[in-house]
Amino acid sequence: DAGVIQSPRHEVTEMGQEVTLRCKPISGHNSLFWYRQTMMRGLELLIYFNNNVPIDDSGMPEDRFSAKMPNASFSTLKIQPSEPRDSAVYFCASSDALTGAQPQHFGDGTRLSIL
Amino acid sequence: GQQVMQIPQYQHVQEGEDFTTYCNSSTTLSNIQWYKQRPGGHPVFLIQLVKSGEVKKQKRLTFQFGEAKKNSSLHITATQTTDVGTYFCAPRRDSNYQLIWGAGTKLIIKP
Repeated sequence: DAGVIQSPRHEVTEMGQEVTLRCKPISGHNSLFWYRQTMMRGLELLIYFNNNVPIDDSGMPEDRFSAKMPNASFSTLKIQPSEPRDSAVYFCASSDALTGAQPQHFGDGTRLSIL
Repeated sequence: GQQVMQIPQYQHVQEGEDFTTYCNSSTTLSNIQWYKQRPGGHPVFLIQLVKSGEVKKQKRLTFQFGEAKKNSSLHITATQTTDVGTYFCAPRRDSNYQLIWGAGTKLIIKP
């Protein structure tokens, strides 16, 4: 079975550019989570969706960050404009439960570097 | 807010030695999940504990949930190089039922 698929795996771009990260969750999972991981702050939950609807975006650091889930098989996380402090590994995870009662399955992540 | 403390932050062991990481909370937890992240990899689910005093084993790994459901531990017997990585406990937050991610414990095998 295919796991969570993220693209790109690596992204290097200059400050001020728009960055779009993509995620395909596991088929049949109804919940999708976007995380950011850095050495300083660890793993942070940015936003999560249930049945394609955003439930809580309180973890999104700034208005420069936005996320969408137009259908059950696709989600994007966009940063516009990007800044060097956005450099991190961004993970997408999916689960068949919203409530932390089932495992979350993570993608390989996108390693983002903003110069 | 609800927080979890995981100790130690790092543990260096010789291959073949045992390893233990502890997860502590000031509040009662409804459940707790454990994940492993290899260097350069992504978190991978290991197990979920739900019941007070629960003990689960996966080969050389033993997971425990405290009687008061405020702490949990992961013990690895006779570590191997494949055990290298960071182990995270992730209990469920009461307010929004999302996972609380601690800093993790990094297991390092001494050469």
